[in-house]
Order: sequence, then C-alpha cells, then structure tokens
Amino acid sequence: SQKIEQNSEALNIQEGKTATLTCNYTNYSPAYLQWYRQDPGRGPVFLLLIRENEKEKRKERLKVTFDTTLKQSLFHITASQPADSATYLCALYYSSASKIIFGSGTRLSIRP
Amino acid sequence: GAVVSQHPSWVICKSGTSVKIECRSLDFQATTMFWYRQFPKQSLMLMATSNEGSKATYEQGVEKDKFLINHASLTLSTLTVTSAHPEDSSFYICSASGPGQGMFMEQYFGPGTRLTVT
Repeated sequence: SQKIEQNSEALNIQEGKTATLTCNYTNYSPAYLQWYRQDPGRGPVFLLLIRENEKEKRKERLKVTFDTTLKQSLFHITASQPADSATYLCALYYSSASKIIFGSGTRLSIRP
Repeated sequence: GAVVSQHPSWVICKSGTSVKIECRSLDFQATTMFWYRQFPKQSLMLMATSNEGSKATYEQGVEKDKFLINHASLTLSTLTVTSAHPEDSSFYICSASGPGQGMFMEQYFGPGTRLTVT
C-alpha cells in the first residue's frame, strides 16, 4: 500500500531563514501532489498543487518541487516569519484509484 | 471566496446517542463534498465522498450505517454519527470542491467539528 512520510514531526527554525519540509512516498507517483497548512483546531488550507509532470511551483514566499525519481516533494518557505508557524500537510492524489492520501504533517515553529 | 462552514464547532454527547454535523459551502456550489476524520497528531483520513443528489461513496472500513451522509443540495452536506461510542470521538472535517474542478483538486476545508462521546 502507498505510504507517505513527512520528514519530521516537528521543525524549529530561526525567523528569516528558509524552512524546508519533505514529503516522501513509496511505490507509485501520484497524478498530483498538494500542500496544505493546518492551524490547531482548524481545517487545512490549500497552499499549492504540483502535477507529476511539473518540477517546481512558486507562490509568493512558497516553493514546491516534485521529483518523481526520488519520490519526493520539497516545500520551502523563504524569509520565514513567526506567523508561518503551523502544521503543514502533503497530500497525494492517485487518479487510477480516485484516492487522496494525506501525510501526518510536520509541525513548523518559527522563533523570533 | 470559497468559504466552507461547519456546525457545530464542537459537541459533547452521551454514548448511544446520534449527532448531526452540517457542512455548508457559503459562496459557491459544491458539486462534491468530502468527510474526513483526524485523530490527534495523525493525518486526515477520508471517510466518504458525496455528490449532490446521489449516495455517498464510503472508503473501505467506514461503516455507512453508522456514518450517514446526506448531500441534499449543492451547498449542504450532513454527517450523522449514529449510536455514538467513545471511540468515535475525533475531529471531523468536511471539504468541498466546486464545479469545473477535478476530484480533490484544491479542496476548501471547513473549520472542523470536535466530537467527544462520553
């Protein structure tokens, strides 16, 4: 069965640095991969989507890469701010099964 | 735009009773709505997918007679947890996709409902 691993349960970095979060998966590559932000006690908020034939996507301070050879997506937040502190989830969509699978998330903390 | 609301935001009920959770898309027509549950520090687990006017499709291992889903209109879906037990205590989150969007693409999530069964 498909497995998703997000690099660590928690990540702490200094304000202003670039935060890099990792999403690794096994077996088959998804049709597309999404990144969401989730604050405590709230529903996830969509951030970015990247398709299997795309290498990189950017949105303001966010950048996502997708490497189907490594079976990995990297999510970067540049010039990080304390307000970026949240849990970030990756989600993979498999079109053949019409199924979406979420990772367990990485809790990012940005210290001033 | 693309706001999804859920009601109630939290609920406490006694074991054996039923609880209904509402999910509404406030400013768009949701052709497809999804229901998830999330345990602490765990990922979202898709429970079922519902399309307006048709029966919900449940994921493997989810009891359809226990988790009743109704998607009566393009802006409202309800999840009823019947004969609730303490192990049903969880965070339930709905999401919606609008027309013209592929399944699961850019889902808009509700704020979630915390259910505690005593």
